[in-house]
Amino acid sequence: EVQLVESGGGLVQPGGSLRLSCEASGFTLSDYWMSWVRQDPGKGLEWVANIKGDGSQKYYVDSVKGRFTISRDNAKNSLYLQMDSLRAEDTAIYYCARGGGNFVSWGQGTLVTVSS
Amino acid sequence: DIQMTQSPSSLSASVGDRVTITCRASQTISRYLIWYQQKPGKAPKFLIYAASILQSGVPSRFSGSGSGTDFTLTISSLQPEDFATYYCQQNYSTPRTFGQGTRLEIK
Repeated sequence: EVQLVESGGGLVQPGGSLRLSCEASGFTLSDYWMSWVRQDPGKGLEWVANIKGDGSQKYYVDSVKGRFTISRDNAKNSLYLQMDSLRAEDTAIYYCARGGGNFVSWGQGTLVTVSS
Repeated sequence: DIQMTQSPSSLSASVGDRVTITCRASQTISRYLIWYQQKPGKAPKFLIYAASILQSGVPSRFSGSGSGTDFTLTISSLQPEDFATYYCQQNYSTPRTFGQGTRLEIK
């Protein structure tokens, strides 16, 4: 069974940093593109970034380019999102998802709140 | 970026009703269209891909159609567990973009 478990969310001040992690199980992580998708509480979904199975290609939505970095460690079955220079508008539930465009499996999400 | 627009934004219906949700892309996306279902407090669930192919395990009362810019999700006979929010998403180009969602409520 595919499982994705996010961690690392929390309350951070504007301008601060957080690192999200996603631990994968039930499949071979290196075989898949992986993505981060976020959702404003009570609002819609926004794709944030994705990364190829071997880490050689990465893409970002414009609003996070230069501030967020997606990475992976296939040996540790883990996906990461380093978030720097956080803004209030980054407040959301962050999901990791298997796939680069077809988000077939999702984690339960981790809440990031950016507020002073 | 490709904009995805869903209509209606919300919909009230009864168990047994047939309902249709529409998704329109701002440019052609061929059949690179996905539908998700999301219930409160849960992650989205992958329902339909390539505009009309049901993911394994999804009940056959769900169907999708369309190509180019106009797509529909139809539920042929609503069941109590179908009341949720539905999102479309294009998988044609980066950035991947979602519709704003359609909230399906019990009448």
